[in-house]
Amino acid sequence: DTEVTQTPKHLVMGMTNKKSLKCEQHMGHRAMYWYKQKAKKPPELMFVYSYEKLSINESVPSRFSPECPNSSLLNLHLHALQPEDSALYLCASSQEWAGRGTFFGQGTRLTVV
Amino acid sequence: RKEVEQDPGPFNVPEGATVAFNCTYSNSASQSFFWYRQDCRKEPKLLMSVYSSGNEDGRFTAQLNRASQYISLLIRDSKLSDSATYLCVVTILTGGGNKLTFGTGTQLKVEL
Repeated sequence: DTEVTQTPKHLVMGMTNKKSLKCEQHMGHRAMYWYKQKAKKPPELMFVYSYEKLSINESVPSRFSPECPNSSLLNLHLHALQPEDSALYLCASSQEWAGRGTFFGQGTRLTVV
Repeated sequence: RKEVEQDPGPFNVPEGATVAFNCTYSNSASQSFFWYRQDCRKEPKLLMSVYSSGNEDGRFTAQLNRASQYISLLIRDSKLSDSATYLCVVTILTGGGNKLTFGTGTQLKVEL
């Protein structure tokens, strides 16, 4: 079982809605990540938080807004999404140095209608 | 050229077969290397880390050749449950933190 927990598991939202994805880990990891995965493609990095500070933004559109309230929690706020944003959104965490691996949550399957 | 390249497969093999996957990476600054397994509609799960000295975990053996920028995974005595997509992953430590780069994945189907 994954030690990274994501909610909700499934989400359907309209293009005018505002929703949030949530992620929690209790492994003491200080780096947390959001990835986006489209069908039959590998995960693509969106954001990296290191010690609760946003350290990498891979030129993600502003309709995706990450937030790290504390060292265990990571949110992704969604607003005015497009149908092409439909994908599996994966949260992950690792030690500051990822040499021992990065661990993924089960993901939120998002459909934008 | 993609940063991490894998043969997409699919590899269709009979149960009990030995199968090998290869991966090449382009960034010589890559620092850590892993194989992940991803089942259909599930999250990627860490299979094993990869070291230059080679490492083995049961039926799985991984190898890294830094000079050739090449990573391999060998699965012996394949089981039906090994059917999945295998993702080669490299990590670069940047000023902003760790960046994982995934290969496109190799699909394995183990058949009776």
